[in-house]
Amino acid sequence: AQSVTQLDSHVSVSEGTPVLLRCNYSSSYSPSLFWYVQHPNKGLQLLLKYTSAATLVKGINGFEAEFKKSETSFHLTKPSAHMSDAAEYFCVVSEASGTYKYIFGTGTRLKVLA
Amino acid sequence: DTGVSQDPRHKITKRGQNVTFRCDPISEHNRLYWYRQTLGQGPEFLTYFQNEAQLEKSRLLSDRFSAERPKGSFSTLEIQRTEQGDSAMYLCASSLTAASGRGEQYFGPGTRLTVT
Repeated sequence: AQSVTQLDSHVSVSEGTPVLLRCNYSSSYSPSLFWYVQHPNKGLQLLLKYTSAATLVKGINGFEAEFKKSETSFHLTKPSAHMSDAAEYFCVVSEASGTYKYIFGTGTRLKVLA
Repeated sequence: DTGVSQDPRHKITKRGQNVTFRCDPISEHNRLYWYRQTLGQGPEFLTYFQNEAQLEKSRLLSDRFSAERPKGSFSTLEIQRTEQGDSAMYLCASSLTAASGRGEQYFGPGTRLTVT
């Protein structure tokens, strides 16, 4: 069965410093992996996706993630945090067939300090 | 493309009452999903439609829950005899079947249900 583990429930960074949100996955096949962001009172927004093409994936708002099969990781990074990045971030793995339903991690709340 | 919409955004109901939520997916999307998100947790899968057919239901979906997608367009999720444990955010998502099958899902803003 597929699963994702987000290693940090809360991360705090200062504005202008790098962001690292960690995600490990478990899958018996080549997975599709996603990062979504959820701002308060707003819907989930897709940041980026990995679907077996390039292992370094660039997303919106300066975020990127690297798929590392040997480490079963898909960590999300951004070189310089902005106050508007403060939100909840979810790492997601999709089923490989059938419904393609999502399995979500428990989320990482990112706090950006002025 | 106006995105996925959900109605109502908030619902407060008393225990034992029935509630119905509506989801309007992106118009050309053939796949529709319902998820439930409780405080401090990631969303959990409830059920899936491909066009008008309900093809999978989670074990989370008790007999008090029913979902429909008539004509493969909008969908409704009904909860009968609500319980306090049903309090959660109910999320709807839609996607289009990509050539690889792995189309990304687009989420609505959710319906927050509070059962008192």
